[in-house]
Amino acid sequence: AQTVTQSQPEMSVQEAETVTLSCTYDTSESDYYLFWYKQPPSRQMILVIRQEAYKQQNATENRFSVNFQKAAKSFSLKISDSQLGDAAMYFCAYSTGANNLFFGTGTRLTVIP
Amino acid sequence: NAGVTQTPKFQVLKTGQSMTLQCAQDMNHEYMSWYRQDPGMGLRLIHYSVGAGITDQGEVPNGYNVSRSTTEDFPLRLLSAAPSQTSVYFCASSYSSGFNQPQHFGDGTRLSIL
Repeated sequence: AQTVTQSQPEMSVQEAETVTLSCTYDTSESDYYLFWYKQPPSRQMILVIRQEAYKQQNATENRFSVNFQKAAKSFSLKISDSQLGDAAMYFCAYSTGANNLFFGTGTRLTVIP
Repeated sequence: NAGVTQTPKFQVLKTGQSMTLQCAQDMNHEYMSWYRQDPGMGLRLIHYSVGAGITDQGEVPNGYNVSRSTTEDFPLRLLSAAPSQTSVYFCASSYSSGFNQPQHFGDGTRLSIL
């Protein structure tokens, strides 16, 4: 069974600083995708970044980057130069097969001005 | 484009009532799915469809029914609502069922069962 674990229920970061959110997963599949979704108070689910398991290079999207460690089944999200608009719930998710997503329980990020 | 549209946004039901949550997408996406989000938990997959006429169960399908008669629409039916079905429901779609396809989510429906 696929499981996704986010061990940090809450995190906080000073504006303009860097924060890293942790995620581990368990799977027996050889190819899959990993995602980070952001859910602001508006409740929308917004795709932040994604990583294919076969790619060694870590994905980057502007201020967001990941540290993907396949052997350790770890997929952390780094947010650089944090902004007030980054405050949200962040969900790590895994997909395989028919594009069904398995989500972690989320990390609530607070950005302190 | 409207993307993925869910209606209603909020609903209160009494135990035993039936209800259909609507989901429509205008992106000609083949894959559509329904998730529920409960406090302290991530989204969990209820049902999904890889194309018109094809549906399958996800992680938590009990108490829910779906059908996919058109590419655009994927309604979720609660036949006899129970308090345990109080949740926020999200519909999502993607171009295909390939697991590399990013999913587009609707804004969610908050459902309360009294």
